[in-house]
Amino acid sequence: AQSVTQPDIHITVSEGASLELRCNYSYGATPYLFWYVQSPGQGLQLLLKYFSGDTLVQGIKGFEAEFKRSQSSFNLRKPSVHWSDAAEYFCAVGPFSGGYNKLIFGAGTRLAVHP
Amino acid sequence: GAVVSQHPSWVICKSGTSVKIECRSLDFQATTMFWYRQFPKQSLMLMATSNEGSKATYEQGVEKDKFLINHASLTLSTLTVTSAHPEDSSFYICSATGLVRNNEQFFGPGTRLTVL
Repeated sequence: AQSVTQPDIHITVSEGASLELRCNYSYGATPYLFWYVQSPGQGLQLLLKYFSGDTLVQGIKGFEAEFKRSQSSFNLRKPSVHWSDAAEYFCAVGPFSGGYNKLIFGAGTRLAVHP
Repeated sequence: GAVVSQHPSWVICKSGTSVKIECRSLDFQATTMFWYRQFPKQSLMLMATSNEGSKATYEQGVEKDKFLINHASLTLSTLTVTSAHPEDSSFYICSATGLVRNNEQFFGPGTRLTVL
């Protein structure tokens, strides 16, 4: 069965520090992978996605993620965190079943940023 | 472009009443819409998938008679929570996909439902 694991429920970093959020997936073939960010009481905003090609993907707000097939991982990184990055981050797998873009989400990682 | 709206953004109702939540794609035609439910500090759980003009496909464990979904047009889907109870209180999020950016899902801002 397809699944997404985000091992870190909560992460706290200092403003200006680097960030890495982990995501591991289980899927029978090459998946479509996504990272979303959710601010309190808000919907989800797509940060970046991987469909194929270059395994290092650049996204919005200075985020990037690297697809590593051998490790079944798609970790999100940012070299220097800003206080406004404090939010909930969700990794998702998008198996295409029946032509629909059905997403499976990880449990999320809550990011807190210290000034 | 590719904006999805939800209405209302929050609603409080009495136990036993029904509540309708609207999801609209404002600038594209949404051939498929998804409804998710999110409990506090938890992930999104897909409830159902709806295609314009056809019956919704519900995920296992989701009561179709409890959560009525209608996708009457390419820009509107509605979720009706019938005979709501306090355990139905949650954050409901819709998303829409169409012939935009490789069928990417675009999410609405969510609706906070509180049942008293």
